[in-house]
Amino acid sequence: EDQVTQSPEALRLQEGESSSLNCSYTVSGLRGLFWYRQDPGKGPEFLFTLYSAGEEKEKERLKATLTKKESFLHITAPKPEDSATYLCAVHHAGNNRKLIWGLGTSLAVNP
Amino acid sequence: EAQVTQNPRYLITVTGKKLTVTCSQNMNHEYMSWYRQDPGLGLRQIYYSMNVEVTDKGDVPEGYKVSRKEKRNFPLILESPSPNQTSLYFCASSLDRGPYEQYFGPGTRLTVT
Repeated sequence: EDQVTQSPEALRLQEGESSSLNCSYTVSGLRGLFWYRQDPGKGPEFLFTLYSAGEEKEKERLKATLTKKESFLHITAPKPEDSATYLCAVHHAGNNRKLIWGLGTSLAVNP
Repeated sequence: EAQVTQNPRYLITVTGKKLTVTCSQNMNHEYMSWYRQDPGLGLRQIYYSMNVEVTDKGDVPEGYKVSRKEKRNFPLILESPSPNQTSLYFCASSLDRGPYEQYFGPGTRLTVT
């Protein structure tokens, strides 16, 4: 069964304490993996697209990486404004018209 | 400003009273989609549209209708709302004819009593 699993469900960090969020997937024919950020009560905001194993993308304190089975979102020296839910979604060859979404990781960064 | 707009942002209604949630994008995007988000269930796609007059069911289409008569608009229609349709709804669009980098609207919080 095609699925996307994110871990942990929730993560609490101190400001400056680096960590990683995980998105593991089991799909046939990955076409793209997407990371989004969602603030409470707002729509998700696009962060990154990764297409093939070994690819990396960076934006400020965030770095996304991709292997054949999972993706990591590394957060370096986080700040309180990085607090949000981070969503992962996968586009695969089995259905090229929609995504499979993970349930997200809720990140809280304490000052 | 490039954006996806939804109206209304908040709506409380009663069972069976037809309602429409509007969605409009000003980016000339081909692909548009409706999602609902519920605690513990995440984002679930209701309907999507690859182009004008082309729509298709997502994962949870029951009880909903959509139309795409113009490229910029993609309204969501609940003909006879029920309490299990109480949810947070998002409209999204993307440039290409597929669910790639999607821009989301601000959301519509719907309560059906």
